Amino acid sequence: AQKITQTQPGMFVQEKEAVTLDCTYDTSDPSYGLFWYKQPSSGEMIFLIYQGSYDQQNATEGRYSLNFQKARKSANLVISASQLGDSAMYFCAMTGAGNMLTFGGGTRLMVKP
Amino acid sequence: DTGVSQDPRHKITKRGQNVTFRCDPISEHNRLYWYRQTLGQGPEFLTYFQNEAQLEKSRLLSDRFSAERPKGSFSTLEIQRTEQGDSAMYLCASSSNRGPEANTGELFFGEGSRLTVL
Repeated sequence: AQKITQTQPGMFVQEKEAVTLDCTYDTSDPSYGLFWYKQPSSGEMIFLIYQGSYDQQNATEGRYSLNFQKARKSANLVISASQLGDSAMYFCAMTGAGNMLTFGGGTRLMVKP
Repeated sequence: DTGVSQDPRHKITKRGQNVTFRCDPISEHNRLYWYRQTLGQGPEFLTYFQNEAQLEKSRLLSDRFSAERPKGSFSTLEIQRTEQGDSAMYLCASSSNRGPEANTGELFFGEGSRLTVL
């Protein structure tokens, strides 16, 4: 069985600063994928970034980067230069041998002006 | 086709009534998923279709829940004899096993159908 743990229920960050959202995972699958999704108050899940378990380099997408440490089973999301529009729920998720995503409990990020 | 659409967006019903939600996936996507999300929690997997075949079902999907995808396009999720514990956001997502997203398994989500059972 797969499990995703997000230990930060809520985080504050000052506008224009960087923030790291933590994610640890557990799986017995040798091949897996790690995702981060953003969920604003409107409810839609917005894909941010993906990291494959065999990818050698950490994934980056614009202001988002994924700090993948395989031995520690962690996949932290780093958001640089935070903007007010980044205020939302953030979910870490993973796929494995099955075809569905397993999600963590989420972190609510609040960006202060 | 701009994305996954779900209908209705909001549904308020009385305990014991039946409700049905509809999901229209991205047209070229052959995989369709239903998730349930309660307030303050992450989405929980309910069921998965590849084309018209329902290939996986969660233990969360009690016998009051039924999902169909009769022609491999849109899907419906029906909840019979609703209970207050069924109040949640029901999210639909789609993906493809062809094209770029096949390599990652990325899911594309709709905006959800929020159910309130009184």
